[in-house]
Amino acid sequence: GQSLEQPSEVTAVEGAIVQINCTYQTSGFYGLSWYQQHDGGAPTFLSYNGLDGLEETGRFSSFLSRSDSYGYLLLQELQMKDSASYFCAVLGDTGRRALTFGSGTRLQVQP
Amino acid sequence: GAGVSQSPRYKVTKRGQDVALRCDPISGHVSLYWYRQALGQGPEFLTYFNYEAQQDKSGLPNDRFSAERPEGSISTLTIQRTEQRDSAMYRCASSLGLPGGNQPQHFGDGTRLSIL
Repeated sequence: GQSLEQPSEVTAVEGAIVQINCTYQTSGFYGLSWYQQHDGGAPTFLSYNGLDGLEETGRFSSFLSRSDSYGYLLLQELQMKDSASYFCAVLGDTGRRALTFGSGTRLQVQP
Repeated sequence: GAGVSQSPRYKVTKRGQDVALRCDPISGHVSLYWYRQALGQGPEFLTYFNYEAQQDKSGLPNDRFSAERPEGSISTLTIQRTEQRDSAMYRCASSLGLPGGNQPQHFGDGTRLSIL
């Protein structure tokens, strides 16, 4: 089976940097993805890590350590519009070729 | 539109009735996925298709749930003899290529199903 753990809530101020961690246990592993979901909206893709290291996309970066079964999403120069839920998700390379999502981290950005 | 379209947006029905939820993926997208999402939780995998072939239905809760994608485009998720525990947001997603980490899944706005 597959399971993911991430903090339930994080609070930060505008302009700050915040890191959302994700640890996973899987029977197989293909990569770690991150999705953002605003209240009442649909999840939207942010980033993907298939190999160890850092992937940067604008203000957002994502990191993966396969040996530690760990990843994180880094959000820089926080804006109010970044207030949302953030989900890590894994794609197993055996059996199920579909995403298993974590329960999400609710980020609140305060002025 | 350019995105994944789901209908109806809201469905309220009495326990015991059958419901059919529709998903129209982004044109040309090969893979289509169904998820169920409870409030405050991440999407929970139900089933997925590559073209018209159902590749994995291991996430369907029981045999009251079924899905099809007969022509490799529009998909229907059917729930027979609905129960109150089936109440949830049902989301559809599609991806351009076959499932892979670097294949972003594009989600629809979902169907909010309420069973009375």
